[in-house]
Amino acid sequence: DAGVTQSPTHLIKTRGQQVTLRCSPKSGHDTVSWYQQALGQGPQFIFQYYEEEERQRGNFPDRFSGHQFPNYSSELNVNALLLGDSALYLCASSLGGVPGELFFGEGSRLTVL
Amino acid sequence: DQQVKQNSPSLSVQEGRISILNCDYTNSMFDYFLWYKKYPAEGPTFLISISSIKDKNEDGRFTVFLNKSAKHLSLHIVPSQPGDSAVYFCAASDSGGSNYKLTFGKGTLLTVNP
Repeated sequence: DAGVTQSPTHLIKTRGQQVTLRCSPKSGHDTVSWYQQALGQGPQFIFQYYEEEERQRGNFPDRFSGHQFPNYSSELNVNALLLGDSALYLCASSLGGVPGELFFGEGSRLTVL
Repeated sequence: DQQVKQNSPSLSVQEGRISILNCDYTNSMFDYFLWYKKYPAEGPTFLISISSIKDKNEDGRFTVFLNKSAKHLSLHIVPSQPGDSAVYFCAASDSGGSNYKLTFGKGTLLTVNP
């Protein structure tokens, strides 16, 4: 049973560029959440997708956008990259079960130069 | 404004002894609390959770205690094992955790020495 998979694992961009990160949820899961983990910080909630709609959003600017596909996979897009966007981006999936329990992928490490 | 605080960046204990990791929160709307463990180059993995209607939850070597009046929770690991060495994140949620939106602390690096 495949867990949550993310791609790419590492990438380097320059300021002003755009990036797309991809996530496949754990088999059978229908809800995908994205978190940003800056160095030395805990994961911070970006947004959550369910039934191809953004259901909840954290305190992130509109430069951060996402999408969920009919097969429940998801993309995170960040436009006009800033140096401060350098972080580990974690995707997590869930499907009822234990409240609050999320299954995380290994993350995509984004470096903005 | 940090709503979930883990004030100890690191903790070192001897194998076989008890590890106690602490967490404080400020948001009174939080009613569900979780602990996640993270190894390097891996995503966080769920460890244990507790609802605000309880003050203790136990799962094998891991016990979480919740003190609602003090807005404080702690994770006890007994006995500690070298494989427990990891970063531990405290997380909180409202809506009983049903919305799967978590607020995390900064984490505590636990090192268990053989």
